[in-house]
Amino acid sequence: NAGVMQNPRHLVRRRGQEARLRCSPMKGHSHVYWYRQLPEEGLKFMVYLQKENIIDESGMPKERFSAEFPKEGPSILRIQQVVRGDSAAYFCASSPQGASTNEQFFGPGTRLTVL
Amino acid sequence: GQQLNQSPQSMFIQEGEDVSMNCTSSSIFNTWLWYKQDPGEGPVLLIALYKAGELTSNGRLTAQFGITRKDSFLNISASIPSDVGIYFCAGPNAGGTSYGKLTFGQGTILTVHP
Repeated sequence: NAGVMQNPRHLVRRRGQEARLRCSPMKGHSHVYWYRQLPEEGLKFMVYLQKENIIDESGMPKERFSAEFPKEGPSILRIQQVVRGDSAAYFCASSPQGASTNEQFFGPGTRLTVL
Repeated sequence: GQQLNQSPQSMFIQEGEDVSMNCTSSSIFNTWLWYKQDPGEGPVLLIALYKAGELTSNGRLTAQFGITRKDSFLNISASIPSDVGIYFCAGPNAGGTSYGKLTFGQGTILTVHP
């Protein structure tokens, strides 16, 4: 039973380019969460999505960042016109539909480096 | 926003020693989650706690949900080198009444010397 999958694991972009991060939740999970982790810090919530809906994007910067979770395919976190401050590890987590718990299962992350 | 404070920030111990770390909040939590993160990997869920006073074990790990619902403790007995990593506490936002985003502590870095 595959866990949460993220790709790419490492991504290098120059300032001004676009970064696309992909996340495939665990089988049977329809809730996806994105978190950002700066070096030597804890994870910070960005956005919570269900299929075709954004439920909570309170942690996501208003500009340059967007997220989607289409009916088919992985969830995408998109960062336009990247800046050096976007360099971080981005983690995706998933939980089952109708979860009665708050347990979230994390992927291995995408480490974004902006040159 | 909600904040979780973990202590200690780092620990250096000898293999075989027991370890204790804790997490406190200024507001009530209905759920406490403990995760471990290895270098270059994502957090892995170790233990989940749902009731005040609850004591739950997972192998050599034991975690407790504080009676005040504002703290939690994680203990590791007879540590081994593979226990090395960063341990995070986490809880759902808004005191746990809504599902969705988790608030994470800043982590406790554990180093185990053979």
